[in-house]
Amino acid sequence: GDSVTQMEGPVTLSEEAFLTINCTYTATGYPSLFWYVQYPGEGLQLLLKATKADDKGSNKGFEATYRKETTSFHLEKGSVQVSDSAVYFCALGHSGYSTLTFGKGTMLLVSP
Amino acid sequence: SAVISQKPSRDICQRGTSLTIQCQVDSQVTMMFWYRQQPGQSLTLIATANQGSEATYESGFVIDKFPISRPNLTFSTLTVSNMSPEDSSIYLCSVEQGFPYNEQFFGPGTRLTVL
Repeated sequence: GDSVTQMEGPVTLSEEAFLTINCTYTATGYPSLFWYVQYPGEGLQLLLKATKADDKGSNKGFEATYRKETTSFHLEKGSVQVSDSAVYFCALGHSGYSTLTFGKGTMLLVSP
Repeated sequence: SAVISQKPSRDICQRGTSLTIQCQVDSQVTMMFWYRQQPGQSLTLIATANQGSEATYESGFVIDKFPISRPNLTFSTLTVSNMSPEDSSIYLCSVEQGFPYNEQFFGPGTRLTVL
């Protein structure tokens, strides 16, 4: 079955540091890939997505590229802010099937 | 994108009681989903709720413990029955829009603590 593996956290960075959160997946076919963010005390928000190989999703300075050859969808940001402190979830889904498979989440802590 | 609200936002309940969580969407949707997020864990799908039919439960979840209603295309409820401390979690509802790319939108969640 499908699975998503994320790097374990917490990831602790200073403000303006470069961020990478690794995500790899196992799936049949050609899934769509997503990053969701959960700020403290809130529900999940879709951060970005990519629906086919080599697509790059981007939003709020975050980027992730769908790499089919390495089955990866790593999240990157060039300069993090304290307000980026949250839990980030990588997920995949298949066209025509509504359920998503989530990774375990990676907590990001950014200090001033 | 869909706007989803949940009630209550949080609750503290006693063992053996039941709590009903409401999920309201600002537009009509075919499918609604209920997830559980246990402390420090990822999201686990409890069930899928279609309007006018019985909910479909994932392995490990049963209707007697988590009865779901879906009376119309904008509303659903999840009841957590006969609660125990192990039911302490965040419960989230979500809806799907933007077929066929499975974009899901989530409610803010209900944080449940069972004593």
